[in-house]
Amino acid sequence: AQSVAQPEDQVNVAEGNPLTVKCTYSVSGNPYLFWYVQYPNRGLQFLLKYITGDNLVKGSYGFEAEFNKSQTSFHLKKPSALVSDSALYFCAVRDKAAGNKLTFGGGTRVLVKP
Amino acid sequence: EAGVAQSPRYKIIEKRQSVAFWCNPISGHATLYWYQQILGQGPKLLIQFQNNGVVDDSQLPKDRFSAERLKGVDSTLKIQPAKLEDSAVYLCASSLRSGEAGSGNSPLHFGNGTRLTVT
Repeated sequence: AQSVAQPEDQVNVAEGNPLTVKCTYSVSGNPYLFWYVQYPNRGLQFLLKYITGDNLVKGSYGFEAEFNKSQTSFHLKKPSALVSDSALYFCAVRDKAAGNKLTFGGGTRVLVKP
Repeated sequence: EAGVAQSPRYKIIEKRQSVAFWCNPISGHATLYWYQQILGQGPKLLIQFQNNGVVDDSQLPKDRFSAERLKGVDSTLKIQPAKLEDSAVYLCASSLRSGEAGSGNSPLHFGNGTRLTVT
């Protein structure tokens, strides 16, 4: 069965500093990997995805993520965090071998302090 | 384009009562999903439709939950009777397509959800 782990419940970072949100996954086949962000009282918004090709994926709002097959990781990064980046971030994996079901991690709350 | 529409935004009911949620996906999106998001957790898939057919309902508590997508567009999710542990946000999402070879990369577009409180 596929699974996603986000080992940190919360990440605190000062504005202007780099931000990293960690994600590891487990699938039986080749993964499709996604990051979503959720603001209070809102649904999830798509940030970026890895399907194939270049391991470094660039997405919305200056975010990027690096796919590392040997470490089964897909960490989300932003070089310089903004206060407005404070939100809940979810990593998700989809396994074609498992019928394309999308499985989410438990989420990481990011707090960017001015 | 208009986003995924859900109603109501909030619902408070007593245990053993019934409740229904409505979702209108983005026009042209063949795949529709209902997720349950309990406070502090990631969304959990309840049911996935491809047009008006069910693709995956393995995690839907079928003794109390039901969902339909008549005509392959709008969808309703019903809980009858509700339990305290059903308190959660119910998210509807849609995507262009899913399930076919090479199509699993379509991102999901989520509505704002319905927050259900069961007392």
